[in-house]
Amino acid sequence: ELKVEQNPLFLSMQEGKNYTIYCNYSTTSDRLYWYRQDPGKSLESLFVLLSNGAVKQEGRLMASLDTKARLSTLHITAAVHDLSATYFCAVGAGGSQGNLIFGKGTKLSVKP
Amino acid sequence: DAGVIQSPRHEVTEMGQEVTLRCKPISGHNSLFWYRQTMMRGLELLIYFNNNVPIDDSGMPEDRFSAKMPNASFSTLKIQPSEPRDSAVYFCASTINTDTQYFGPGTRLTVL
Repeated sequence: ELKVEQNPLFLSMQEGKNYTIYCNYSTTSDRLYWYRQDPGKSLESLFVLLSNGAVKQEGRLMASLDTKARLSTLHITAAVHDLSATYFCAVGAGGSQGNLIFGKGTKLSVKP
Repeated sequence: DAGVIQSPRHEVTEMGQEVTLRCKPISGHNSLFWYRQTMMRGLELLIYFNNNVPIDDSGMPEDRFSAKMPNASFSTLKIQPSEPRDSAVYFCASTINTDTQYFGPGTRLTVL
C-alpha cells in the first residue's frame, strides 16, 4: 500500500528565510505532484514531477524528485507572506486512472 | 475552459435530511474523484470513476453515502440520511488518464 508522508506538518517562517518541505513515499511511482491550498479555497496544482532528477521552479518555489530515494522536496527561497498556505504532495498510485495518494499537508505561515 | 464546477457551494441542512452534491468535470477528462476534507482527518478520497465506472469506493464512509456518474459530464454524491459528523468540505476533481488532477471549488456542507 502506497503511503505518503510529509514533514514538517506545520512550519512558521520569517520573511526572507529559506526552508524545505519533504515528501517521502513508500513504493515506486512514476509521478509526483505538489499542490497549494489557501485557507477556505480549493487545491491548486503547482508542479508535476515525472522523472528521477526532475526539477521545476516557479518564483520562490522549487520542487525536485529523487525516485531512488522516494523523496521529493519543495524548497522555499526568501519566503514572503504571500506564500502562506498549506502545501500538499501527492503521488501517483499506479494504473491508468489517475488516482493519487495525498500527504497530510504542510501548513506554512510566513511572518514579517 | 470553466474548470471543474461544483454545486451548491454551501449547504446547510438538518440531521436526517438527504443531501446531494453535484459535479461537472472538465470536458474531455475521463476520471473523476470525490474527496472530503476536515480539520481532523485531512483530505480523504471517497470514490473515483474512470470512464463513468466506479473504480474504487473503499473510501466511502458507510452506506449512507452513494455516488453516481450517469454520463461523462455529471456526477453526484448523495448522503442519506445526513449526520453532523458529515460536515466537511467536499471536493470533486477530474483528470485525463494520469495527468494532473484539477479540483473544483468545493461544497461546504454543514449538518446541524
